[in-house]
Amino acid sequence: GAVVSQHPSWVICKSGTSVKIECRSLDFQATTMFWYRQFPKQSLMLMATSNEGSKATYEQGVEKDKFLINHASLTLSTLTVTSAHPEDSSFYICSARGDAESSSYEQYFGPGTRLTVT
Amino acid sequence: AQKVTQAQTEISVVEKEDVTLDCVYETRDTTYYLFWYKQPPSGELVFLIRRNSFDEQNEISGRYSWNFQKSTSSFNFTITASQVVDSAVYFCALSAYTGRRALTFGSGTRLQVQP
Repeated sequence: GAVVSQHPSWVICKSGTSVKIECRSLDFQATTMFWYRQFPKQSLMLMATSNEGSKATYEQGVEKDKFLINHASLTLSTLTVTSAHPEDSSFYICSARGDAESSSYEQYFGPGTRLTVT
Repeated sequence: AQKVTQAQTEISVVEKEDVTLDCVYETRDTTYYLFWYKQPPSGELVFLIRRNSFDEQNEISGRYSWNFQKSTSSFNFTITASQVVDSAVYFCALSAYTGRRALTFGSGTRLQVQP
């Protein structure tokens, strides 16, 4: 299957700082990328959907000014947590989906990024 | 709106026992996809299966089998002869067949297989 990477795999930052998480599709072009958040011992919740070259679509309750998403190319989407607070500590997982020709609309998940805000 | 329910929060079995993880879903779509993922302690999601809603044939892959019952909106997952390495959280998920196709996940079932 296709490979999706995330960087960093874990990060610790201080309250008030910003953190950028990268999601890359390594061997296919991802027309759509999804960002999910998972709190400890909970399920994955969709935060936003990004399409290459256009603005992200955020789910209800997700602050778009706090979680900035940029899908600048067909292989890279970034999630920036701005002015992070301890309650933003979570496991962030991206997934990437190509078009029918490149990936049969399959969705491939990255390994996740564990964010801890102190 | 879509919804996936995994009523079993945690299951503990002894190695070699069979175990079934339940999944019930709700959707207004006539066609859709159903998925099962495994999440070991490392956190990385491991894809297990994707099933089209119009394909109700049960599937078997090694010790894993899936029972899709459209009439009861269920997509249950059975592990035969469980092993310690099967210990993980298992998520059932649902997506639309067309359009955005974001996944809606169930709350997960934590499976503990004791030696």
